[in-house]
Amino acid sequence: GIQVEQSPPDLILQEGANSTLRCNFSDSVNNLQWFHQNPWGQLINLFYIPSGTKQNGRLSATTVATERYSLLYISSSQTTDSGVYFCAVEGSNYQLIWGAGTKLIIKP
Amino acid sequence: GAGVSQSPSNKVTEKGKDVELRCDPISGHTALYWYRQSLGQGLEFLIYFQGNSAPDKSGLPSDRFSAERTGGSVSTLTIQRTQQEDSAVYLCASSLGGKGQETQYFGPGTRLLVL
Repeated sequence: GIQVEQSPPDLILQEGANSTLRCNFSDSVNNLQWFHQNPWGQLINLFYIPSGTKQNGRLSATTVATERYSLLYISSSQTTDSGVYFCAVEGSNYQLIWGAGTKLIIKP
Repeated sequence: GAGVSQSPSNKVTEKGKDVELRCDPISGHTALYWYRQSLGQGLEFLIYFQGNSAPDKSGLPSDRFSAERTGGSVSTLTIQRTQQEDSAVYLCASSLGGKGQETQYFGPGTRLLVL
């Protein structure tokens, strides 16, 4: 089956810093989503991005499908950005296959 | 509704008891998914519904786990004879058409603790 790897596993930054999170996947995919899981456990959709680039405020994402990776950029990070960021790709029968996540801590 | 809802929010049960978890998907969404997240881990797929049918049950970890969906809406996940290793957060998601290539929207989850 498809393998999804995320890096780095942990990231600690000062408020205001920029960061890049990476997601590698082992096979071509039709669907890739980035999620933020807040400290209360709620999963929030950030991007649906099987290819190309999208931006939403301080966040942007790029997926290069031919090279099987996606990047999530967070600029001018804030303490509320803390949490775990997951990349998930679509497997057979449309379920999402998840990476292990990047745990981000933003210090004030 | 405005989003996916799940109940109960938290459930503490004794080993060997049965539990039932409920998911209300976004109105009009035909596809519904159950996932499980153990502490500090990514999500693990359990089962997928297209309407009331479950074409993929491959993720259910044992025959103690079952799920149903009625009226193309509400779904229940039942765990019989719970074990301590069943402790996890159970998350439900829904999507519009269920034919892939679309966003899945998640509920807040049910935190299950088996003592």
